[in-house]
Amino acid sequence: AQSVTQLGSHVSVSEGALVLLRCNYSSSVPPYLFWYVQYPNQGLQLLLKYTSAATLVKGINGFEAEFKKSETSFHLTKPSAHMSDAAEYFCAVKADKLIFGTGTRLQVFP
Amino acid sequence: EPEVTQTPSHQVTQMGQEVILRCVPISNHLYFYWYRQILGQKVEFLVSFYNNEISEKSEIFDDQFSVERPDGSNFTLKIRSTKLEDSAMYFCASSEALTSTDTQYFGPGTRLTVL
Repeated sequence: AQSVTQLGSHVSVSEGALVLLRCNYSSSVPPYLFWYVQYPNQGLQLLLKYTSAATLVKGINGFEAEFKKSETSFHLTKPSAHMSDAAEYFCAVKADKLIFGTGTRLQVFP
Repeated sequence: EPEVTQTPSHQVTQMGQEVILRCVPISNHLYFYWYRQILGQKVEFLVSFYNNEISEKSEIFDDQFSVERPDGSNFTLKIRSTKLEDSAMYFCASSEALTSTDTQYFGPGTRLTVL
């Protein structure tokens, strides 16, 4: 069975600081991995996805994630946080349905 | 940009009542999904739907739940007799295809509160 684990339900950073949101996956087959973001009172929006084409995936809003098979990780990063990045972030693995992690709430302080 | 829409944004109902949550998927998409998120918990898959049939359903999707595509645009989730534990945010999603790499696009959700 496939699953993802997000370490840290809350992450706080200062504006301009590095953002690192952690996701580890478990899969018996090559995984397809996604990061979604949920802004307050909005739906889930796709940030980026890994489909085995390249291990470093660039997404929207300056986010990127690196697939590391040896570490079974797909951590999400952004070099410089912006106030508008405050949201809930979900890592997910997909077969035919999406299996989500528990989410990480990102707070950005001025 | 096309998007998935859901109505209502918030539904309050009494335990035992029937509710219908409505979704309009992206127009050229063929696969439709419902997920739910109980407050403070992870987003969970409920059901997928293709060609007017359920493709897959989770153990959560029991006989109290049903889905329907009543016309060419709407996709509905019905809960026949709501329970307190059905209180959650319900997300509709759609995708062009069912391949593992295909993106599912989500609606803004309907918050269901069962009293």
